[in-house]
Amino acid sequence: GDSVTQMEGPVTLSEEAFLTINCTYTATGYPSLFWYVQYPGEGLQLLLKATKADDKGSNKGFEATYRKETTSFHLEKGSVQVSDSAVYFCALSGPGGFKTIFGAGTRLFVKA
Amino acid sequence: DAEITQSPRHKITETGRQVTLACHQTWNHNNMFWYRQDLGHGLRLIHYSYGVQDTNKGEVSDGYSVSRSNTEDLPLTLESAASSQTSVYFCASSETGQGPYEQYFGPGTRLTVT
Repeated sequence: GDSVTQMEGPVTLSEEAFLTINCTYTATGYPSLFWYVQYPGEGLQLLLKATKADDKGSNKGFEATYRKETTSFHLEKGSVQVSDSAVYFCALSGPGGFKTIFGAGTRLFVKA
Repeated sequence: DAEITQSPRHKITETGRQVTLACHQTWNHNNMFWYRQDLGHGLRLIHYSYGVQDTNKGEVSDGYSVSRSNTEDLPLTLESAASSQTSVYFCASSETGQGPYEQYFGPGTRLTVT
């Protein structure tokens, strides 16, 4: 079945460092891909999304490119801030389906 | 503004008791979902509904039930609470139609079974 694998955390960075969180997926057909973010004590919220190969999703300085050839959707940010400390979830939604498959989540700590 | 709310936000109950967690959304979404979040497991789907009177089992549905009598609400019932059901529970909703199907999440309910 469909699945999402993302790098284990926690990831600890200093402010202004470059961030990469790896995500790979297994799916039949052509899924849509998402990154969700969960701040402490809150529910998940959509960070960015991409619907087809080579699409780049971006939001709040974060970017991820849908790579069909490597079945990946890595999250990147050029300069992280303390306020980016959160748990990040990679996810996919299959074509024609409503359910979303989530990765295990990666916790990010950013130190001042 | 449209939103999705959950109540209670925190609940402590005893083993064997029946517990109901409420979820209410004002997005007018047909699709609603219940997840549990546990350390090391990410989000796991408990039950989901694609519309009124429709309910489906997810990957960890044993010991849980849902009912959908209107568009706005999908209450989750733990028939006989067990310590293994101590977790944080999230409700989510999404629209129907053209994808991709972004999900909107509630703030969560932290349930402790003693």
